[in-house]
Amino acid sequence: DAKTTQPTSMDCAEGRAANLPCNHSTISGNEYVYWYRQIHSQGPQYIIHGLKNNETNEMASLIITEDRKSSTLILPHATLRDTAVYYCIVMYRDDKIIFGKGTRLHILP
Amino acid sequence: DVKVTQSSRYLVKRTGEKVFLECVQDMDHENMFWYRQDPGLGLRLIYFSYDVKMKEKGDIPEGYSVSREKKERFSLILESASTNQTSMYLCATAGGAMNTEAFFGQGTRLTVV
Repeated sequence: DAKTTQPTSMDCAEGRAANLPCNHSTISGNEYVYWYRQIHSQGPQYIIHGLKNNETNEMASLIITEDRKSSTLILPHATLRDTAVYYCIVMYRDDKIIFGKGTRLHILP
Repeated sequence: DVKVTQSSRYLVKRTGEKVFLECVQDMDHENMFWYRQDPGLGLRLIYFSYDVKMKEKGDIPEGYSVSREKKERFSLILESASTNQTSMYLCATAGGAMNTEAFFGQGTRLTVV
């Protein structure tokens, strides 16, 4: 069973920051938070992951609360190409990846 | 760039046929995975492998088997294809402790008629 809860869908205006929430209240101390996205008709694509600290890369930022029970993926300037299903996954490093239903993000022109 | 190559993008097979879906990766990754994706059900793990000749069942292994004779190749086998195995099949690979993000192939859309 997926260990995360995400909204089914979200809208965001093009050019604005997209903030995608994820709840993972049962996360254990050594489990990481990973984010992937799947653009229509393609395989999932890795975005970012973190353990405790906030992380940033060229694609996105990941904000993890201090108690680690929730996190937010931030796409700072959303474009139409960011329209996708976004998956938040809690897992141990080097473990199998179990996908939940994810959040369908619509970027509005 | 990591390449995960699935042998076919589209495949049509008859009920009862034995079907082989091949996945090859070029990054020397230890871990490989097979998923199927269906509307409303999301991505579901069929089998995974942490090393050559090692395999473990995922959430929906029934009707499938796998083979990993070489590190770079992970095959999914449908022993006797059925119409309920019509689906999108996705292969993934991940490097292990130092590089844990997964890379996915483009998928094989299998239709069993």
